[in-house]
Amino acid sequence: GNSVTQMEGPVTLSEEAFLTINCTYTATGYPSLFWYVQYPGEGLQLLLKATKADDKGSNKGFEATYRKETTSFHLEKGSVQVSDSAVYFCALSDTYTGTASKLTFGTGTRLQVTL
Amino acid sequence: DAGVTQSPTHLIKTRGQQVTLRCSPKSGHDTVSWYQQALGQGPQFIFQYYEEEERQRGNFPDRFSGHQYPNYSSELNVNALLLGDSALYLCASRRGGNTIYFGEGSWLTVV
Repeated sequence: GNSVTQMEGPVTLSEEAFLTINCTYTATGYPSLFWYVQYPGEGLQLLLKATKADDKGSNKGFEATYRKETTSFHLEKGSVQVSDSAVYFCALSDTYTGTASKLTFGTGTRLQVTL
Repeated sequence: DAGVTQSPTHLIKTRGQQVTLRCSPKSGHDTVSWYQQALGQGPQFIFQYYEEEERQRGNFPDRFSGHQYPNYSSELNVNALLLGDSALYLCASRRGGNTIYFGEGSWLTVV
């Protein structure tokens, strides 16, 4: 079955540091890949997505590239801010069309950014 | 335009009781899914509803059931509650192959 593996947290960085959160996946076919963010006490917000190999998703300074050859979708940001402190989830959808798709999530990586 | 709305936001139940959680999808969305997120874990897919029918189900026992109404709103019912059912229950909605949007969730505590 499908699975997503994320690096364990917490990740603690100083403001303006470079961020990488690793994500690898196992899936049949051609999944779509997502990063979701969850701020304390809130639900999930879509951060970025990529629907095919070599696509780069980007939003709010975050970016991730869909690498089929390494089955990876690592999240990066060049300069983190305190407001980026949250839990980040990598996820995949086994099909992006039709009504039967579901999301498979990793366990999440907590990011804490300090001044 | 309201996003996905869920109710109640927090509730406490006793072991063995039953609970109903409610979800209104984002305007224009016709597909609703439910996820369970235990503390410190990623969300786990429970089931998905489209056209008032359960279309796909995750690895959850029959104690978990749902319903979708003609206006696309949905309910999640859990019978015979166990302590391990304590979690954040997330509702998500979409239309066709478009982006999935999540609500803020219902926190269920079973004591």
